[in-house]
This record gives sequence, C-alpha cells and structure tokens, in this order.
Amino acid sequence: GAGVSQTPSNKVTEKGKYVELRCDPISGHTALYWYRQSLGQGPEFLIYFQGTGAADDSGLPNDRFFAVRPEGSVSTLKIQRTERGDSAVYLCASSLQNLLSYNEQFFGPGTRLTVL
Amino acid sequence: ELKVEQNPLFLSMQEGKNYTIYCNYSTTSDRLYWYRQDPGKSLESLFVLLSNGAVKQEGRLMASLDTKARLSTLHITAAVHDLSATYFCAAGGSQGNLIFGKGTKLSVKP
Repeated sequence: GAGVSQTPSNKVTEKGKYVELRCDPISGHTALYWYRQSLGQGPEFLIYFQGTGAADDSGLPNDRFFAVRPEGSVSTLKIQRTERGDSAVYLCASSLQNLLSYNEQFFGPGTRLTVL
Repeated sequence: ELKVEQNPLFLSMQEGKNYTIYCNYSTTSDRLYWYRQDPGKSLESLFVLLSNGAVKQEGRLMASLDTKARLSTLHITAAVHDLSATYFCAAGGSQGNLIFGKGTKLSVKP
C-alpha cells in the first residue's frame, strides 16, 4: 500500500521567504507528526496532530512555524520569514495510534529545505 | 524531560563480527523503537519494544529492552556490508511523539 508521501522532495528558498511543506499520511492513520532532522542528528519533534487538532505543538521552535491539518488527513507545515538556520530535512510520520499499533510511526521520505 | 543517548555514535566493523549498540533513556518510557536510515533516505522501522525483557530478532539484528535499567540494545550478529546504515533508537514521549538519539553510523567493511 501507499506509504507516507511528502512534497516537494527538495525546496530551495531565499532568506525571508515563506514556504509550505506538504505531507500525505497513510490512509486511515489518525495521528500525524512533523519532525526536523539536521545533518548528523536524530529527528527532533515539532508538532503532533490527532485528527484535525494539534495535540502537542511544543516542539515548534518559534512563531514563524505553523502547521495545519484541516480535514484530518493531509497536513501542511508553514514557515514564515525563513532563516538559514531553518535548513534541514523535514520529516512527516503517521501512525494508527490505537492499542494494537503501539504507536509505530511510519516516516515519509522528507523534504530537504535549503535557505540561502 | 526525556532524553535518549546512544553509543557509540560511529562504529566501523568487519564483516562477520558481532557488536552491540546501546541506547539509554533518562525517564520512564513504556516503549522503545529502533529505526534504520540509509544515506539520503527516510527512516525504516525495525523494532518496537513494549515491555521489560522484550526481545525481538530480525535476521542478523536483535533488539532487547530493560526498562529497569532504562537501556535498550541492538545486537548485530555476523555483520554484512548490507547492514551499513545509521541506526536510531527512540523512546516514546508523553504525547506520542518520539524522542530520538543522535544515531549510530555503522560501517561494515570486508
């Protein structure tokens, strides 16, 4: 079956611009997560959705970052006034999050964001 | 605050040898995950460990969990080149998010 998909796969932008990153989770997965992975590091949690609502956004670094999931499926991560330090791979993951799934998270291929 | 530490961060092995990667976490967590990441690729789920004493094996990889020691191990048996990758452990956070270690970059040489 189809896995988690993310678009675009690569995004190059200039400092100060606005970007949107899209995530399509596995069909039927109610939980959706955004992580950010810098070179040589493990993924760092950004935000978690259960259905349409953000259940935990404690990982968002500042108010330039925002994410939505209006219909409980596709999610968009939005970054305003991008900075060079935002350059990283942004990973999306989804899970069934029920007792049987043990919250096993399945990751998409990521979007590599480069801010010049 | 939940923190996850892995060691070693870099591991160069010869084919056919055995080795263990260690993963310590700082506070109580009821589940532990191992992922594999190939260069330029996303994360592939390897194991989910749910209880103290849990042991899971897949091919040349075996993972175990000791919740009392807050320690998980990933044991590699008779390494082959195809196992070269970065291995991450992650502990389950309070809201369902995962807290990852920095990863262990494994290189298996002939």
